[in-house]
Amino acid sequence: KQEVTQIPAALSVPEGENLVLNCSFTDSAIYNLQWFRQDPGKGLTSLLLIQSSQREQTSGRLNASLDKSSGRSTLYIAASQPGDSATYLCAVYSGYALNFGKGTSLLVTP
Amino acid sequence: KAGVTQTPRYLIKTRGQQVTLSCSPISGHRSVSWYQQTPGQGLQFLFEYFSETQRNKGNFPGRFSGRQFSNSRSEMNVSTLELGDSALYLCASSLEASGRVQYFGPGTRLTVT
Repeated sequence: KQEVTQIPAALSVPEGENLVLNCSFTDSAIYNLQWFRQDPGKGLTSLLLIQSSQREQTSGRLNASLDKSSGRSTLYIAASQPGDSATYLCAVYSGYALNFGKGTSLLVTP
Repeated sequence: KAGVTQTPRYLIKTRGQQVTLSCSPISGHRSVSWYQQTPGQGLQFLFEYFSETQRNKGNFPGRFSGRQFSNSRSEMNVSTLELGDSALYLCASSLEASGRVQYFGPGTRLTVT
């Protein structure tokens, strides 16, 4: 059974800092890995999707990497802003459903 | 294109009642998956429907059921509600069966009292 773990569970940083969120998964047989953002009480917004054959994806200030062999992914956020405050979820697609981590709750303080 | 829509957005029910949630996928998408999100368990897969057939099911009791209509709209039903069913229920659509890229709706917040 695929297990997805995200570390840290919570993170507080001052505005302007660069930060890294970590995601690990137990079964390397994945089709893709996706990072989502979730604001309180809201649905999921897809940030980046990395196919299993890819090593990284970039969108604006966000960069996600994937190391399938070691079962790890990182989400790098450059020059953080208060508007980045949210919960970030990592999910792997292994066959028919997404397996999610519990998320990292990020607070960026002005 | 309009995104995935879910109705209602908020719902309050009493223990023992039943509830039906609705999901309309992105136009042209034929697969709909349902997920439950709770603070304790996080996001968990409930089931997937494609072409009006349930293709996959997560580890949930039989009180949780669903169906899909010919226009790909899907409903999820929970019978004999328990306090632990309080959660955010998210629906996701994708183009094909077991779609590798899923697009999520805003969710339905169910509170059971």
